[in-house]
Amino acid sequence: GAVVSQHPSWVICKSGTSVKIECRSLDFQATTMFWYRQFPKQSLMLMATSNEGSKATYEQGVEKDKFLINHASLTLSTLTVTSAHPEDSSFYICSAMGTSGSWAYEQYFGPGTRLTVT
Amino acid sequence: ILNVEQSPQSLHVQEGDSTNFTCSFPSSNFYALHWYRWETAKSPEALFVMTLNGDEKKKGRISATLNTKEGYSYLYIKGSQPEDSATYLCAERDNQGGKLIFGQGTELSVKP
Repeated sequence: GAVVSQHPSWVICKSGTSVKIECRSLDFQATTMFWYRQFPKQSLMLMATSNEGSKATYEQGVEKDKFLINHASLTLSTLTVTSAHPEDSSFYICSAMGTSGSWAYEQYFGPGTRLTVT
Repeated sequence: ILNVEQSPQSLHVQEGDSTNFTCSFPSSNFYALHWYRWETAKSPEALFVMTLNGDEKKKGRISATLNTKEGYSYLYIKGSQPEDSATYLCAERDNQGGKLIFGQGTELSVKP
């Protein structure tokens, strides 16, 4: 149980284009999903918290107009990197948290997406 | 301590060795301490969640302890096996909103 998928697992895009990353909870309903970013040799850093049906809460220093988050259903959240630039190249990983049963209050992670912007 | 810090950054041991890692975290606003095991190309896997000072958790050959007063947690692996090779992450959850603050991880390599 508690499987979270992420798609794509890696993507290469040209500078100036937009990229959408999907995060799905496969066997539980996730009222809250989190998006993290990890640069080489650094910690996973929280970018934003999204709750189903409401606007995401962004961490300080994360541009909400650049990193668009949509959490339209209890099993799907998407992160769109708009007008991507080489400095956005990073590893993006999501987690999903349920609020009932055995999934309550534990974050379950997807496998991550490696984004390279050329 | 202002950040979550893990040591060592990497560790190379022989099969059968026992090993341990350290996670240091700010003790103010503490709510919970999480340990994850992260193998390459896979999702981080939750190992333990600890909330109370003095907590000890065990899962097979892996165990963890928690000291919230001094702000540290230890993860122990007894009789390391090659399949234990992974990056071990700790993360503190605060009581201000529940977000996780991660350490940089300890990369463990177990040679057969």
